[in-house]
Amino acid sequence: GNSVTQMQGQVTLSEEEFLFINCTYSTTGYPTLFWYVQYPGEGPQLLLKVTTANNKGSSRGFEATYDKGTTSFHLQKASVQESDSAVYYCVLGDRDTGYQNFYFGKGTSLTVIP
Amino acid sequence: EAAVTQSPRNKVTVTGGNVTLSCRQTNSHNYMYWYRQDTGHGLRLIHYSYGAGNLQIGDVPDGYKATRTTQEDFFLLLELASPSQTSLYFCASSENRNTEVFFGKGTRLTVV
Repeated sequence: GNSVTQMQGQVTLSEEEFLFINCTYSTTGYPTLFWYVQYPGEGPQLLLKVTTANNKGSSRGFEATYDKGTTSFHLQKASVQESDSAVYYCVLGDRDTGYQNFYFGKGTSLTVIP
Repeated sequence: EAAVTQSPRNKVTVTGGNVTLSCRQTNSHNYMYWYRQDTGHGLRLIHYSYGAGNLQIGDVPDGYKATRTTQEDFFLLLELASPSQTSLYFCASSENRNTEVFFGKGTRLTVV
């Protein structure tokens, strides 16, 4: 079946440090991978998506690629700011099933200390 | 930008009570969804719909009913609320299944 695993439940960084959030996925279909971000008091919102393996998605200074060989999908940012403090969700969509469901990881809570 | 509005934003009810959560989206999206968010579980899909009168079962449907009365309006019904349904509920919408999903701000439900 389809699933997404985010092992890092919480990450704490200082401003200008490098961010790397790891996500692995499992699917029998052809995946599209998304990162959603949730700020305090808000619903999740799309940060970026990647539809093809080894292609890079980018938005607001964040970048992500997925590796079909290792079934991994990473989110990274070169220099975080306090305003990046939020929960980040890795999300799997399966095009072969017509996206019958999106599979959310459990989320990684990022705290950036000024 | 897509707007998804949920009401109420907070609700407290007693065990066995009857609760209806409301959601309206103003962009004529085809798909609407109800998720619950719990610590340690992330977001889990309860029900979704691809149009007025349509209802599809999600991953955690037990204890929930839903109804899509119009293109804009999607309701989540808890007819016999239980403490295990204490959660933060999100409504969302998207134009199609493979397009961006827009979430509301959430409804915090407490069942005592």
